[in-house]
Amino acid sequence: DGGITQSPKYLFRKEGQNVTLSCEQNLNHDAMYWYRQDPGQGLRLIYYSQIVNDFQKGDIAEGYSVSREKKESFPLTVTSAQKNPTAFYLCASSIRSGSTDTQYFGPGTRLTVL
Amino acid sequence: AQKVTQAQTEISVVEKEDVTLDCVYETRDTTYYLFWYKQPPSGELVFLIRRNSFDEQNEISGRYSWNFQKSTSSFNFTITASQVVDSAVYFCALSGYGQNFVFGPGTRLSVLP
Repeated sequence: DGGITQSPKYLFRKEGQNVTLSCEQNLNHDAMYWYRQDPGQGLRLIYYSQIVNDFQKGDIAEGYSVSREKKESFPLTVTSAQKNPTAFYLCASSIRSGSTDTQYFGPGTRLTVL
Repeated sequence: AQKVTQAQTEISVVEKEDVTLDCVYETRDTTYYLFWYKQPPSGELVFLIRRNSFDEQNEISGRYSWNFQKSTSSFNFTITASQVVDSAVYFCALSGYGQNFVFGPGTRLSVLP
């Protein structure tokens, strides 16, 4: 079945550690996105990628980094520079770049900093 | 700047009641797209509907219906005969052509048996 997978579902990290969240899609979508969701709030865009080997900062990119070496994969690294990383992270993809195609979402990763 | 407002933070209804979730948007674009997503307790956002700014026809899909009114910049979502499985957080989103999505803060719907 086609879809978006994120792993792990739950992640715990100590302060000062970097951690990488995985996002894989087999929908053959060009564009991929990372969002952060805090309790009672909407989604905020961290980074997005319209094509392999290219990505752009979203609204809250500070303290995060990404790579897009393969079309199917768009991992997100939460660095120690991120002041308040505890949140729910959602990955999404859409068919084309530069358009407003529907975004489809993965199941999310809940990150907790201890 | 684009903005989406969902004034209802939480709504509780009893099963079989009808419920309407409000969405008001702001944009200066003439071409834009509106979306509704459902986020059940599992966390994944599920796509419900996409509507472009040139299509003001209301849409019905089973117990779901959407009322798009450009005159009031609203794109409201109604669930008829609500069920417990409808309990979720619902997000309205806006995207100008070629632009990133802007999400509203969401409305938490609780359907009580």
